[in-house]
Amino acid sequence: DAGITQSPRHKVTETGTPVTLRCHQTENHRYMYWYRQDPGHGLRLIHYSYGVKDTDKGEVSDGYSVSRSKTEDFLLTLESATSSQTSVYFCAISLGLAASHTDTQYFGPGTRLTVL
Amino acid sequence: AQSVTQLDSQVPVFEEAPVELRCNYSSSVSVYLFWYVQYPNQGLQLLLKYLSGSTLVKGINGFEAEFNKSQTSFHLRKPSVHISDTAEYFCAVSSTGGGNKLTFGTGTQLKVEL
Repeated sequence: DAGITQSPRHKVTETGTPVTLRCHQTENHRYMYWYRQDPGHGLRLIHYSYGVKDTDKGEVSDGYSVSRSKTEDFLLTLESATSSQTSVYFCAISLGLAASHTDTQYFGPGTRLTVL
Repeated sequence: AQSVTQLDSQVPVFEEAPVELRCNYSSSVSVYLFWYVQYPNQGLQLLLKYLSGSTLVKGINGFEAEFNKSQTSFHLRKPSVHISDTAEYFCAVSSTGGGNKLTFGTGTQLKVEL
């Protein structure tokens, strides 16, 4: 399973509150990703990281920020959660050093977030 | 920019019957294509991927896919499905920019019935 854990696994919060989701990997891979999964949309990339303090935006980055202060942890923050951010969030890693197009991504178990 | 289309949102099939899950892509450059499977309440795991070479790719659990450049398709097939194949299947393409970013299709729910 590539040693990926996500916490929390489930969270219910209220609109306007800040929320932080954590992705932890045990094998020091350089590339990490955050996706959200919604019915009818598949998975969409939110942000990704290519090293400590190196991050970039994905397709649906509005309303989200990320941080990576250690190789093993990649945090996703919703500064002020909205109901449209109710989703299942998946973290992934790419095993290659340079994140080649041929590399496989391995996914964590997901976090189900509900914003009321 | 690349995109992936999975036209079938749900595919019901009886156990031991063959199945084909369709995937079409659009890209103006070389493509690298993937099929992932998601079992209920789990993350995604790789079934197979096409990088180059033989257009017929074999994956895990008896699945295979054929890359067809002229039809821009990468359909997933299995000759005889089992109840345990019930899951959601996602086709994805790797982007041409840096970072190995994946663009996913909307998914196909395969439901295998007795």
